[in-house]
Amino acid sequence: AQKITQTQPGMFVQEKEAVTLDCTYDTSDPSYGLFWYKQPSSGEMIFLIYQGSYDQQNATEGRYSLNFQKARKSANLVISASQLGDSAMYFCAMRDDKETSGSRLTFGEGTQLTVNP
Amino acid sequence: DTGVSQDPRHKITKRGQNVTFRCDPISEHNRLYWYRQTLGQGPEFLTYFQNEAQLEKSRLLSDRFSAERPKGSFSTLEIQRTEQGDSAMYLCASSPVLTGELFFGEGSRLTVL
Repeated sequence: AQKITQTQPGMFVQEKEAVTLDCTYDTSDPSYGLFWYKQPSSGEMIFLIYQGSYDQQNATEGRYSLNFQKARKSANLVISASQLGDSAMYFCAMRDDKETSGSRLTFGEGTQLTVNP
Repeated sequence: DTGVSQDPRHKITKRGQNVTFRCDPISEHNRLYWYRQTLGQGPEFLTYFQNEAQLEKSRLLSDRFSAERPKGSFSTLEIQRTEQGDSAMYLCASSPVLTGELFFGEGSRLTVL
């Protein structure tokens, strides 16, 4: 069974600074995908970044980068130059890439990020 | 707006009543998912459809829950005889088969009194 662990219930960062949100995962499948989603107070889950298990390079999307360490089974999200609008709940998720799984995601419990002015 | 839309956004009901939520996915997406999210937790998978076929149901989906996707377009999630433990945000997502990236709606929040 797949499991995602986010050990930081809450994180605080000063505006314009960088912050790292931790995520570790557990799976026995060789092929999988890792995702980060942002959930503001409005409730919508917003896709941020994706990393495939066979990708050689760490994924980047604008101010977001994913620090993928396969041997450690970690997929930390790094947000550079934090903005006040980054304050939200952040979820790490894993997708089992087996044909039968239908691309459903397993989510962690989330980290509440607060950006201070 | 061509994103995933859910209706209603909020529903307050009394224990024992039935409720139904609707999800309209992004039109070209074959797959549709329902997730449940309780306060302070990550979303939990409930069920998914590929076109009109319901291919997987979680053990979380008790007999009181039923989901349909007639004609492979919109989907409904019905909860019969609601219980207080059903209070949660119900999230719908859709994805194209090729990339598998999930696009979520804004959710339907259920409060059972």
